[in-house]
Amino acid sequence: AQTVTQSQPEMSVQEAETVTLSCTYDTSESDYYLFWYKQPPSRQMILVIRQEAYKQQNATENRFSVNFQKAAKSFSLKISDSQLGDAAMYFCAHVGRGAQKLVFGQGTRLTINP
Amino acid sequence: GAVVSQHPSWVICKSGTSVKIECRSLDFQATTMFWYRQFPKQSLMLMATSNEGSKATYEQGVEKDKFLINHASLTLSTLTVTSAHPEDSSFYICSAPPSPGGDNEQFFGPGTRLTVL
Repeated sequence: AQTVTQSQPEMSVQEAETVTLSCTYDTSESDYYLFWYKQPPSRQMILVIRQEAYKQQNATENRFSVNFQKAAKSFSLKISDSQLGDAAMYFCAHVGRGAQKLVFGQGTRLTINP
Repeated sequence: GAVVSQHPSWVICKSGTSVKIECRSLDFQATTMFWYRQFPKQSLMLMATSNEGSKATYEQGVEKDKFLINHASLTLSTLTVTSAHPEDSSFYICSAPPSPGGDNEQFFGPGTRLTVL
C-alpha cells in the first residue's frame, strides 16, 4: 500500500524568506505522480505543484519548487520569498499512474510571520 | 482549470435526520468522483469512490448504509448521510479527475461543513 508521510506538523517562516516542507512516501508503483496541495482557511484544496515520477527534472511553479529524490522517495516543497497569502495547510499526495485514488500525507501547517 | 461545485456549503441538522450533499463537475464529465471527510486539523480521509452508473466503492471502516452515494449522471454525485448523529459532524469534500487514468490532478469541491445537533 502507498503511504505518504509529512513529519512536520507545523512550520513557520518570516515573510520574504524561504521555507522547505518535507514529504516522504512509500510506493510499489514504478510510475506515479506526486502533488503538493494547499488548503487555506477557506478549506478549498488548491494544487500548488505536480511532479511526474518519470521526469528527473524538478518541477517549478513561480516561487514554488520541489526537490524530488526518487531513490530516497522524498518530495520536498520549497517556497521562496514567502508571502502572507502562503499561510495554509500543505498536503503532499501520491497517485499511481492508471490509478485515481490520491493518498495524502498528514499535512503541515505553515505560518508566515510578518 | 476544471471546476467542481458542492452544495450546500454548510448545513446544520438535528440528530436522526438525513442530509444530502451534492457534488457537480461544472465543465467536464466525471465517471468517477471521490468523497473525503476531514476533521479539524487533520488530513483528508477517503470515504468512497463514486462510480457513474454503478455502485460506489467504500473504504474499509466506512458504513455504506450510513453514507449513501449515488452517481446518477456524468456530472453529479450525491452523498447522503442517513440518520445523522453528532459524531458525523465534519467537513466533507468531493473531488473528480477530469480525465480517466489518473494522469491528471484531481479538482476539489469547496467542501460542505456538516453540523449535527
